[in-house]
Parts: sequence; structure tokens; C-alpha cells
Amino acid sequence: QSALTQPPSASGSPGQSVTISCTGTSSDVGAYNHVSWYQQHPGKAPKLVIYDVSKRPSGVPDRFSGSKSGNTASLTVSGLQAEDEADYYCSSYAGSNIPCVFGTGTKVTVL
Amino acid sequence: EVQLVESGGGLVQPGGSLRLSCAASGFTFSNYWMHWVRQAPGKGLVWVSRIKTDGSTKVYADSVKGRFTISRDNAKNTLYLQMNSLRAEDTALYYCVRDLDWKMDSWGQGTLVTVSS
Repeated sequence: QSALTQPPSASGSPGQSVTISCTGTSSDVGAYNHVSWYQQHPGKAPKLVIYDVSKRPSGVPDRFSGSKSGNTASLTVSGLQAEDEADYYCSSYAGSNIPCVFGTGTKVTVL
Repeated sequence: EVQLVESGGGLVQPGGSLRLSCAASGFTFSNYWMHWVRQAPGKGLVWVSRIKTDGSTKVYADSVKGRFTISRDNAKNTLYLQMNSLRAEDTALYYCVRDLDWKMDSWGQGTLVTVSS
């Protein structure tokens, strides 16, 4: 199972929005609505910020939103803040034998 | 508060073995599927293995199939990963992760495994 494809980097100024894509196939992202996004600050464990394509866990600001079209999912961070600077990873369910495939990761920089 | 605390990492020679443990607290461990996820230094996240609530179903990434074994002891609230025939490419930080309805909602801080001669 190949990793989902994300852009290596993305950036925006404080207050702006940044959108990260996550491209898979008809066997993973395109087949299931179990797409999640994780935020990882340097030296820290990943943190769930979006699940089931567009749902936010309790405590995650509504500046974080998710969507999906076909084989591509997207994460948008609106109103960028300094603390949003981190690595972001998507993941998708790909069936009972491959319950999780991660994306390649995107480093978000707040300019 | 949910807590996942990994242990058992360290330096091991190629071909060697290591057993990782993950002590869970703050939730009913036996109700949750669990995963191991790894991250090589400076690299991305890679899913390794998943185990069902009662340990009856286990799945592995192709890269570790036949070498790694996931298990759990619900009486001890502990998840394990037995790693045999270790290779340099297994060097990574290994995370214990809780699964809640197809999302990984809680992560430990990880334990570092280094495979080197």
C-alpha cells in the first residue's frame, strides 16, 4: 500500500488560510469516509484534528476544516496562528487488511 | 485522563529482537482496538499493526509481516509489540495509539528503537 500524496510544504501569513491536499486512490480515500488529519509539533506526538473527512474532535478550533472530493481530501486552516506551524498528516482507512495508510506529510509554515 | 506510556525501546543489533510495551490508563482498555505506528527520524508516520479488543484479530503492514507480533493483556491494560529479525530500516520512534471508530484519537509519547551494529 503506497502512502497518500501530500505537498511537502505550505505557508501563509497570520490570519490567512492554507489548504493542504491529500491524494489517494479509489481503494482508500475515494472508497471510505474515514479520512483523518493529524497535527504534529516538533518533538511531540501527533494530535487528531479532523476525523471522518470533516468532523472536529472536542477542543479543536473551528479554524480547522476538512473536505473530500473523489480521491482527494483537503485540510484547511483558516485564520492562521503561530501555533498552527507544524507538520500535518492525513490518513485513510483502506479496508480490514489495511486499516490505515498515512500521507507523506506537509510542513506548514506561518510567515 | 487517557494515558499511553510506551517502554522497551533501545539499541539492538541487526537480526536481534526487542519487545515493546504500552501501559494504558484512564479508559477501559479492553473496549478499544489498538495500533502501533512508527516514525523514522525526520520522516513521516507509518502504520505498523492493529489488534482487536479481545486480541482475536491482528493485521500488519507488509514491511513487518512475519517478523513483528502484536498482542495485548487486557487484565494488565497493556499492549505489546514483539519485534524479531530487526533491520536498520526498523529504526524509528514507535507510538502506541488508541483507535476509536477508525480514528486514532490518543497517542503515547513513543519509544525509540535503534537498530545498528
